[in-house]
Amino acid sequence: GQNIDQPTEMTATEGAIVQINCTYQTSGFNGLFWYQQHAGEAPTFLSYNVLDGLEEKGRFSSFLSRSKGYSYLLLKELQMKDSASYLCAVRDQRSTDKLIFGTGTRLQVFP
Amino acid sequence: DADVTQTPRNRITKTGKRIMLECSQTKGHDRMYWYRQDPGLGLRLIYYSFDVKDINKGEISDGYSVSRQAQAKFSLSLESAIPNQTALYFCATSDFGNTEAFFGQGTRLTVV
Repeated sequence: GQNIDQPTEMTATEGAIVQINCTYQTSGFNGLFWYQQHAGEAPTFLSYNVLDGLEEKGRFSSFLSRSKGYSYLLLKELQMKDSASYLCAVRDQRSTDKLIFGTGTRLQVFP
Repeated sequence: DADVTQTPRNRITKTGKRIMLECSQTKGHDRMYWYRQDPGLGLRLIYYSFDVKDINKGEISDGYSVSRQAQAKFSLSLESAIPNQTALYFCATSDFGNTEAFFGQGTRLTVV
């Protein structure tokens, strides 16, 4: 089975940097995804990691360590519009490759 | 037009009624999913389908059924709705392999 853990809530200040952690346990890891979701809206894709290391995409970066079952999403130069929930999701090859989500981290950015 | 379209967007129904949520996509993806989202519980997988003849149960399939009418259409049914099925429902699609899932705008269902 799968188990994905993220902090429930985080707060940060506009212009700052915030790191959102995700730990997972899975029987057949086949990729980790980060999504952003504003309240009442659909999740939108942010990043994907399947190999160890850092993937950078503008203000957002995502890191993966498969041996530790650990990932983080790094958001730089925070803006008010970054206030949203951030969902970590794992694809499990041994569970027919379906995508399983963590409960999400609600980030509030203050001026 | 949205690539993944859900109908209806909002629905209020009574306990015991049958209701169908529909999802259609124009992305040409084979894989389609139904999730429900509840506060504090995140997105939980109800059913998924990897092609027209393939239907699989997810984590929380009890009380739900699905139909994959075509590659582009995947419907979720609640045979006899109950109040704890009140939730935000999302349909999603993905291509074969390690690709991201694309979500519809969601259906807010309230069972009274």
